[in-house]
Amino acid sequence: GAVVSQHPSRVICKSGTSVKIECRSLDFQATTMFWYRQFPKQSLMLMATSNEGSKATYEQGVEKDKFLINHASLTLSTLTVTSAHPEDSSFYICSATTGDHLNQPQHFGDGTRLSIL
Amino acid sequence: GQNIDQPTEMTATEGAIVQINCTYQTSGFNGLFWYQQHAGEAPTFLSYNVLDGLEEKGRFSSFLSRSKGYSYLLLKELQMKDSASYLCAVINSNYQLIWGAGTKLIIKP
Repeated sequence: GAVVSQHPSRVICKSGTSVKIECRSLDFQATTMFWYRQFPKQSLMLMATSNEGSKATYEQGVEKDKFLINHASLTLSTLTVTSAHPEDSSFYICSATTGDHLNQPQHFGDGTRLSIL
Repeated sequence: GQNIDQPTEMTATEGAIVQINCTYQTSGFNGLFWYQQHAGEAPTFLSYNVLDGLEEKGRFSSFLSRSKGYSYLLLKELQMKDSASYLCAVINSNYQLIWGAGTKLIIKP
């Protein structure tokens, strides 16, 4: 149980393109979803936390107009990287928690490797 | 500030036992997680400790001492596939998850 599907797994596109990444909880309702970014050999960096039906809470230093997050249902959250540039190239990972308490383990999607040329 | 400390890298031999330590200083405590992350992949959940003591799950065990702000992950009968990074993460009193930088474990034959 607790499977999270993330799509696409890899994106290569030109600078200036907007890229949408989907995160779906397949067998549970995800009250809270998280979006992370990870650069090579570095730790996970939380970008934002989203709850279904409300605006995402962004971490300090993360541009909300650059990284648009939509959590429209209990099983789907999307991250759109708008007008992506080479410095946005990274490994983006979503996760979701079950239940009402944030001390539940996070279940991760497989990640999206974004390469901006 | 809040921080989590883990060794950057450890090396162990196949079939042996290894202990990965994690110390934390956070604003409050609501639990500690251990995750495994293979290179190029997303993390997978290993264990959750909220009370003091040892939690055993097959070859992997996790220990917590809240008074010492300390946890360890114990891996027994090491296999080559255990080569990965092991991430320690703590939930603070605001239910924020604070991540450690991870310990890269290298298993040698």
